[in-house]
Amino acid sequence: QKEVEQDPGPLSVPEGAIVSLNCTYSNSAFQYFMWYRQYSRKGPELLMYTYSSGNKEDGRFTAQVDKSSKYISLFIRDSQPSDSATYLCAMRYAGGTSYGKLTFGQGTILTVHP
Amino acid sequence: GAGVSQSPSNKVTEKGKDVELRCDPISGHTALYWYRQSLGQGLEFLIYFQGNSAPDKSGLPSDRFSAERTGGSVSTLTIQRTQQEDSAVYLCASSLGRLPLHFGNGTRLTVT
Repeated sequence: QKEVEQDPGPLSVPEGAIVSLNCTYSNSAFQYFMWYRQYSRKGPELLMYTYSSGNKEDGRFTAQVDKSSKYISLFIRDSQPSDSATYLCAMRYAGGTSYGKLTFGQGTILTVHP
Repeated sequence: GAGVSQSPSNKVTEKGKDVELRCDPISGHTALYWYRQSLGQGLEFLIYFQGNSAPDKSGLPSDRFSAERTGGSVSTLTIQRTQQEDSAVYLCASSLGRLPLHFGNGTRLTVT
């Protein structure tokens, strides 16, 4: 079993829809949680990151972390065709020298239709 | 440049040959990372460098893989005696602090 599980999709929604992307994980030592967006043939770019449980909002994006359930989510409101990309969740342990090691989910391919 | 630069963007090589992949991090960034992304897989950690500390090589899949970072800046990832399973996109990232990691666009390696 992978440490981080993410449904690869693909997910197809109409413009304006609310999108929900999710990851589950097995290692309770993960403390930092991130969402990356990756366009085709480009490197991933960081969208949001959160520490421990809770919600974080940035414009149309909301990240949620539920450590008790080992479950994280990214919500995209009023989705746009420009949101079409692969979304990767990532997480890492806190402290020590391991901060360079991010553990990624497989990525969910999202397409937003005009 | 403004971002992380990787070269070449594409590399096709024959099985058994050695390849070198180059990464130019963002100027002033102290940490540099290499990840690998295979088809249908998430990113897999390979190695990271932090300042003058010994690199964390724990993600390198075999002793055919090695990396160095010269002068605290440019890094080269070397794969010796390439195998078909080495075909992937190799991504480099750099950071000033612990987050965020700024990724380059990767080198797409195909081993025939």
